[in-house]
This record gives sequence, C-alpha cells and structure tokens, in this order.
Amino acid sequence: DVKVTQSSRYLVKRTGEKVFLECVQDMDHENMFWYRQDPGLGLRLIYFSYDVKMKEKGDIPEGYSVSREKKERFSLILESASTNQTSMYLCASRPPGPNEQYFGPGTRLTVT
Amino acid sequence: TQLLEQSPQFLSIQEGENLTVYCNSSSVFSSLQWYRQEPGEGPVLLVTVVTGGEVKKLKRLTFQFGDARKDSSLHITAAQPGDTGLYLCAATRLTSGGSYIPTFGRGTSLIVHP
Repeated sequence: DVKVTQSSRYLVKRTGEKVFLECVQDMDHENMFWYRQDPGLGLRLIYFSYDVKMKEKGDIPEGYSVSREKKERFSLILESASTNQTSMYLCASRPPGPNEQYFGPGTRLTVT
Repeated sequence: TQLLEQSPQFLSIQEGENLTVYCNSSSVFSSLQWYRQEPGEGPVLLVTVVTGGEVKKLKRLTFQFGDARKDSSLHITAAQPGDTGLYLCAATRLTSGGSYIPTFGRGTSLIVHP
C-alpha cells in the first residue's frame, strides 16, 4: 500500500513563529507537492518539487518556502506565521508525468 | 479565473436519489482525475479518464470524459449516506518549463441524508 504521512494532524502556532510541516512518502516518487485547502477555494498549489533539491513555485508561494534534501521527504516552512495562513495543508506525491497523486491526511494549522 | 469549473458547489439529497456533478474547462486535457475527500482526510483517487468519450463505472458511480477532453461528469445512482464527501476533479497542465502542474476544481460538497 502506498503511503504519504504528514508530521502532525493538528497544529496551533502563534503569529510570528516559524513553522515546519513535514511530509514523507514511501513510494520512491520523484514529484511531491504542497497545497493549502480553504472552504470555497479548493486546493491551491503552494510549491512542488520534481527532484531532490529542486523546487518550483506553485500558484500561491508567498509567505512559504520548501526544502527537499531527500527524495522521500518534502518540508513546508512558514518563516513567520500569520493568521491568514490558518488552513488545512495537504502534501501529495506522484510518479513522473501527468499521473494521479497520492495525498497525506493533512495538517490543520491554526495561527493565533 | 478557475481552470476547472465544478458545479454544483453544494448538494444535499436524500438516500436513493441520483445526482450528477460537472467539471468543465475551456482547455483540453490529456487526462482528468476524480477524487473523493472525507472530512479530516486527504483526497483519495476514484478514477482517471484518458480517452475522449470514455465512460468508466465504479459500482454506482459513472464517470464520463467529454469527446473534446475539456469536460467530465460524475453520476451517482441511488446515493447512499456513505457517498457523503467532497468530490474534486483534477487535471494536469504543462508549464513552459516542461513541468506537469496539477490543478483542481473547487469541489462539490455532497451530503446524503438517510
């Protein structure tokens, strides 16, 4: 069974804190993605990575950065969390090409 | 502008009713996926459609890809409470840099009442 895991299901942080969200996949997929999901807005792509140490901006990268030091791990970093970053964060992985993605269970982040 | 337009956004029906969810675009796609997401979980793939005009069935769910590969529909027959969830269509666009970027519709939230 394929598996994508995320480090936390729920997280509460204060404004200005640095936040790390981690994602690990065990499928040896090259591509990994970070989304945020908000009611009425659907899934919006923040960043993606198609190889170790490679990253590309998605549709809403502002306020976020990412790190991919190992193939199986893709981290999302909020350098200085703000209340408008309160959201559900979903990680996904995918083999090369326009194929289906496999999602983690999500991290619900609240910034107070 | 949303690349994939899903409708309706919300659907609340009684058990046993039929329903159809639509996913439309002005772009042509090589493939399109449908996902289902339950509260507090990540989306799970239901089906991928690839060929224009293709119809795929998954028990009581019927998926169709438009002839021009710009739109798709999901039809549920005799809905059950277990069908409750958020249904998402997704497709992939190719960037000028040669990367395949996934894009999602905003989703259809379905509630099936017993």
